[in-house]
Amino acid sequence: LAKTTQPISMDSYEGQEVNITCSHNNIATNDYITWYQQFPSQGPRFIIQGYKTKVTNEVASLFIPADRKSSTLSLPRVSLSDTAVYYCLVGEHMIKAAGNKLTFGGGTRVLVKP
Amino acid sequence: DAEITQSPRHKITETGRQVTLACHQTWNHNNMFWYRQDLGHGLRLIHYSYGVQDTNKGEVSDGYSVSRSNTEDLPLTLESAASSQTSVYFCASSEGTAYNEQFFGPGTRLTVL
Repeated sequence: LAKTTQPISMDSYEGQEVNITCSHNNIATNDYITWYQQFPSQGPRFIIQGYKTKVTNEVASLFIPADRKSSTLSLPRVSLSDTAVYYCLVGEHMIKAAGNKLTFGGGTRVLVKP
Repeated sequence: DAEITQSPRHKITETGRQVTLACHQTWNHNNMFWYRQDLGHGLRLIHYSYGVQDTNKGEVSDGYSVSRSNTEDLPLTLESAASSQTSVYFCASSEGTAYNEQFFGPGTRLTVL
């Protein structure tokens, strides 16, 4: 299982871009990178998933360098409602191969200020 | 709309009692998961299921059991509740054989006194 390391917390201001980097030095060939967002008193919500290069959806972008030892979640022009905990997960893409190895780490607490 | 629900949302019980937390999803997803979330630990996987009659142990399965008799439900049972099992419990589901996004329920806050 690829261990992940994320900053514990980050502060930002409304309208700014927030970039959260996750380190996963021992990522395996079949591992994908997935990010979730969790608001207080709610379950996590899927944001984005990728394997290499760049993935973009209506919410965020995910940048993965060629060596795949890290990834960066980019949230464009954040608002107060983006205040949440963001989790980086790295694991086997085929779910039965992932088994009980898919775990959420401590996440990054992002606080967006007015 | 399809959804995933958990009940009860809050539960207080006593040490030694058996407790069952319900999870129900209407997406017809094959995969279902139970996690617990404690301060400083993120979410930890308790049990998971890939389909009816299939159950598997997760990272922190001791003291918990699940059964999958249909596609929609995966109840989590604490056989003899302990204070260490005070936590917030999340159920999730996903479809397919690849690790696709998991859809999480609203959570159950369990307090064991």
